[in-house]
Amino acid sequence: GAGVSQTPSNKVTEKGKYVELRCDPISGHTALYWYRQSLGQGPEFLIYFQGTGAADDSGLPNDRFFAVRPEGSVSTLKIQRTERGDSAVYLCASSIPGHTDTQYFGPGTRLTVL
Amino acid sequence: GDSVTQMEGPVTLSEEAFLTINCTYTATGYPSLFWYVQYPGEGLQLLLKATKADDKGSNKGFEATYRKETTSFHLEKGSVQVSDSAVYFCALSDTGTASKLTFGTGTRLQVTL
Repeated sequence: GAGVSQTPSNKVTEKGKYVELRCDPISGHTALYWYRQSLGQGPEFLIYFQGTGAADDSGLPNDRFFAVRPEGSVSTLKIQRTERGDSAVYLCASSIPGHTDTQYFGPGTRLTVL
Repeated sequence: GDSVTQMEGPVTLSEEAFLTINCTYTATGYPSLFWYVQYPGEGLQLLLKATKADDKGSNKGFEATYRKETTSFHLEKGSVQVSDSAVYFCALSDTGTASKLTFGTGTRLQVTL
């Protein structure tokens, strides 16, 4: 079946602009995660949704970052007033109910802030 | 907090050589441990996992044993192939943190003929 999809695959923006990154999880997966991967580093946790609600947003670096999942499926990560340090690959993952320790990752969105 | 330390790369091996990538962890609870692999141009894929002490995870000829006494989860393969060239990430999921993954920095493996 279809895997986790993310759009766009690449996004180039200017410092100070607003961006939205979309994640479409595997059908039936109730848990959804966002991670950020900087160059040469491992992914870092940002936020975890169980259904529509954010169960853990402890990884969001500051209040410029926000994520929603209004219908419990597609999620959008929103970044306001982007900074050059936000440049990274943003990864989305999902997992099935009762098996949240096995996460399926999307291909990521590469964000470049000029 | 939780952390994962893995050996720096790149690791360069000839085909059919033995592979070890070291991974150690720090966690407050009883974590599950994972190895993820990222092939060139592809997304992260789960390679193997172990959920409790002394468990051995295995897949595609790769193995790793959960060693609580040494807080380690080293990845091994007896005979690597060119197609194993990728970046390998060690990760943990702590029981108290709703299964969010904490990753190491990754180790790039390059296998040559």
